[in-house]
Amino acid sequence: AQSVAQPEDQVNVAEGNPLTVKCTYSVSGNPYLFWYVQYPNRGLQFLLKYITGDNLVKGSYGFEAEFNKSQTSFHLKKPSALVSDSALYFCAVIKRGGSQGNLIFGKGTKLSVKP
Amino acid sequence: GAGVSQSPSNKVTEKGKDVELRCDPISGHTALYWYRQRLGQGLEFLIYFQGNSAPDKSGLPSDRFSAERTGESVSTLTIQRTQQEDSAVYLCASSLVASGRYNEQFFGPGTRLTVL
Repeated sequence: AQSVAQPEDQVNVAEGNPLTVKCTYSVSGNPYLFWYVQYPNRGLQFLLKYITGDNLVKGSYGFEAEFNKSQTSFHLKKPSALVSDSALYFCAVIKRGGSQGNLIFGKGTKLSVKP
Repeated sequence: GAGVSQSPSNKVTEKGKDVELRCDPISGHTALYWYRQRLGQGLEFLIYFQGNSAPDKSGLPSDRFSAERTGESVSTLTIQRTQQEDSAVYLCASSLVASGRYNEQFFGPGTRLTVL
């Protein structure tokens, strides 16, 4: 069965410091991988995706994520955190060639960036 | 351009009543998805529509839940005889579907349902 794990319920970072939000997945074959962000009282927004090619993917708002096939991970990173980055972050995965509806989301990680 | 819209934004209802939630996808998006997000939890897939194909209803939690979509436009999610455990934010998303690739979903702001 497909699954996504976000091992940290919350990540606390000081403004200006680098941040990492972890995601590991379990999918047979090669997956498509996504990160979404949910700001308070707002819907989910797409940040970035890995389809194929370069393992380092750059997305919106200065975020990037690295696909690591051997570790089955897709950690979200940003070199310098902003207070405005504080939000709920979701990792999602879908099996390549699988049903388009079968996008599996992690439980989310709350990122808190303090000034 | 316009994003995914949902109505109402908030719905408070009494246990046992039926509710209808509406989703307007992005124009041209053939795929439409409904999810449920309980407080402090991740997204729970409910149902997926793609063009004229039979919908994937595998995520619907009970027969009290149903959804319809008119062509490639508006969708309604209906919950009959609501229960308190139905209280959640119901999110709708749409996406383009192209052969051989998977495109990101665009989400609406959600409908917050509270069952008293």
